[in-house]
Amino acid sequence: SYVLTQPPSVSVAPRETARITCGGDNIKTKSVHWYQQKPGQAPVLVMYYDMDRPSGIPERFSGSSSGHTATLTISRVEAGDEADYYCQVWDSSSEHQVFGGGTKLTVL
Amino acid sequence: EVQMVESGGGLVQPGGSLRLSCATSGFAVSSNSMSWVRQAPGKGLEWVSTIYRSERTYYADSVKGRFTISRDNSKNTLYLQITSLRAEDTAVFSCARGFSTGITSPFDYWGQGTQVTVSS
Repeated sequence: SYVLTQPPSVSVAPRETARITCGGDNIKTKSVHWYQQKPGQAPVLVMYYDMDRPSGIPERFSGSSSGHTATLTISRVEAGDEADYYCQVWDSSSEHQVFGGGTKLTVL
Repeated sequence: EVQMVESGGGLVQPGGSLRLSCATSGFAVSSNSMSWVRQAPGKGLEWVSTIYRSERTYYADSVKGRFTISRDNSKNTLYLQITSLRAEDTAVFSCARGFSTGITSPFDYWGQGTQVTVSS
């Protein structure tokens, strides 16, 4: 089955840039979506189809995908960005939705 | 305004069954794909099942044959019948709406979830 690999944690200082990666075999050929989840809250879609930003999501959030890695980039990180982030794709081979293991973003 | 509220969770013994519900408003449950996603304590998100507009259904390997997803269009409600429960099914189960009818569509709205605890 298709596997998405995320680093367990990423730490960044305020106002710096955070890059959260999501690795998968030829992930560039798939549509990657990203979710932000804060403690005790439901996940929120922050990026879809690799690089489209839902309304209400700050322009500081951007996405990209190339080769075997998709990346969620958060510029000028704020304390409020501290959360768990998950990538997700549809794997047509297994006919399964697949989530990455999640990355905890810590703002120092 | 889109709203989704889950119910039906609880404490159940191993081998038991539950029916989870996701009452929706603000859209027609039949017009989008609808999914269940669970999260075990301290763990990440795990996809469970999806039902598409065509009523085609998909299941994670870990639940196939034990869980059944369905919807009642007249009640605008999504369901998940869960049987033969195991300790490893303990999780918060959330319903999630597909952004569109497409199979690669992201989940754009989520409920807050209902807790399922499997323990003797």
